[in-house]
Amino acid sequence: EPEVTQTPSHQVTQMGQEVILRCVPISNHLYFYWYRQILGQKVEFLVSFYNNEISEKSEIFDDQFSVERPDGSNFTLKIRSTKLEDSAMYFCASRELDSRVYEQYFGPGTRLTVT
Amino acid sequence: GNSVTQMEGPVTLSEEAFLTINCTYTATGYPSLFWYVQYPGEGLQLLLKATKADDKGSNKGFEATYRKETTSFHLEKGSVQVSDSAVYFCALIESNYQLIWGAGTKLIIKP
Repeated sequence: EPEVTQTPSHQVTQMGQEVILRCVPISNHLYFYWYRQILGQKVEFLVSFYNNEISEKSEIFDDQFSVERPDGSNFTLKIRSTKLEDSAMYFCASRELDSRVYEQYFGPGTRLTVT
Repeated sequence: GNSVTQMEGPVTLSEEAFLTINCTYTATGYPSLFWYVQYPGEGLQLLLKATKADDKGSNKGFEATYRKETTSFHLEKGSVQVSDSAVYFCALIESNYQLIWGAGTKLIIKP
């Protein structure tokens, strides 16, 4: 069964450093999402992406964040200068083009620890 | 704005007990409703969904019915197992396809 994959599973970085989190969505999906979950808190929407541009973004997704689809398979989230409060689990998700299909399929997540 | 409210956890039950995890929502339109499950150390998996009023989603013995009159989508299972121990998230999607999440309810099943 096709699945969303994410790398790395765990990233430790120092405050102020740049990180890139990688996702490979399901191959025939065209909508992509990033969510984050700070430990013990609810999952929060960051950004949605379609047709090589951002569809929507939340207040969390400020100028420190960017997303890219550098090739036909990867979907990346970059944090330019990490802060301690960026420590969280980051989930990538994808869904089909069909507007009748609401299901988003999630990857296993990347745990980002900023020290 | 749209929101989802779940009962606080943890919920601790014995094996074979009946489970209910309450979920209510606030939405301006007609959302689709979901339950996701997160097993320890794993990602988010879709458990079940319902896309319109009175729909019942079901999977792995879990059920939830979309109740528009009470704006609820309570998760139920008749007989839980130790392997059901996980965090359960209620969520909704409206027309913008952005998932709005509840806080999650940790379920602990004791043998």
